[in-house]
Amino acid sequence: SQQGEEDPQALSIQEGENATMNCSYKTSINNLQWYRQNSGRGLVHLILIRSNEREKHSGRLRVTLDTSKKSSSLLITASRAADTASYFCATLRAGQNFVFGPGTRLSVLP
Amino acid sequence: GAVVSQHPSWVICKSGTSVKIECRSLDFQATTMFWYRQFPKQSLMLMATSNEGSKATYEQGVEKDKFLINHASLTLSTLTVTSAHPEDSSFYICSARGDRNLYEQYFGPGTRLTVT
Repeated sequence: SQQGEEDPQALSIQEGENATMNCSYKTSINNLQWYRQNSGRGLVHLILIRSNEREKHSGRLRVTLDTSKKSSSLLITASRAADTASYFCATLRAGQNFVFGPGTRLSVLP
Repeated sequence: GAVVSQHPSWVICKSGTSVKIECRSLDFQATTMFWYRQFPKQSLMLMATSNEGSKATYEQGVEKDKFLINHASLTLSTLTVTSAHPEDSSFYICSARGDRNLYEQYFGPGTRLTVT
């Protein structure tokens, strides 16, 4: 079943600005992952954060996880036009399938 | 990470025909494979879960007679869209999981199906 909601559903920013996307989920999880998808293409794995972690960094990406609020955020710093894509959070419980949020469509304007 | 491939990457077929999509795990044994569908501007929705050697488990609302899933080996699962209709046009993505780590799944690149 689908769980999780991304906020905002669409975001438009200028190059160089930071982009923040939020994700909420409903059940307990083992880990939460963020994916990027360019239009018409497959998923690109960005970052995984485990349920016992609160924050993780990877390059210009910063992910936070608040299990008490069942929410996560993805921050992209110093955005570039190439960051234009849809971003999905996906939660995973051991032995089960990924459950995806509806996604945030990010547009970075040059 | 592990590699999962899908074939074909895109396919166009006529209404009423059947289309088979393959999902292969290239460097690990996938005891479980998942099939997702994604309509334009929407998120991924799980269609079915297949375990090697057993019948697939379908999500509510997914017609098992229309979307035939076969997971005959530890490296291959196939999804056959039978009697395709234009509303079946979508992006189909598989993911695969081994039995050593239940927390890791790997996605294929997806297959774009267009039914005319």
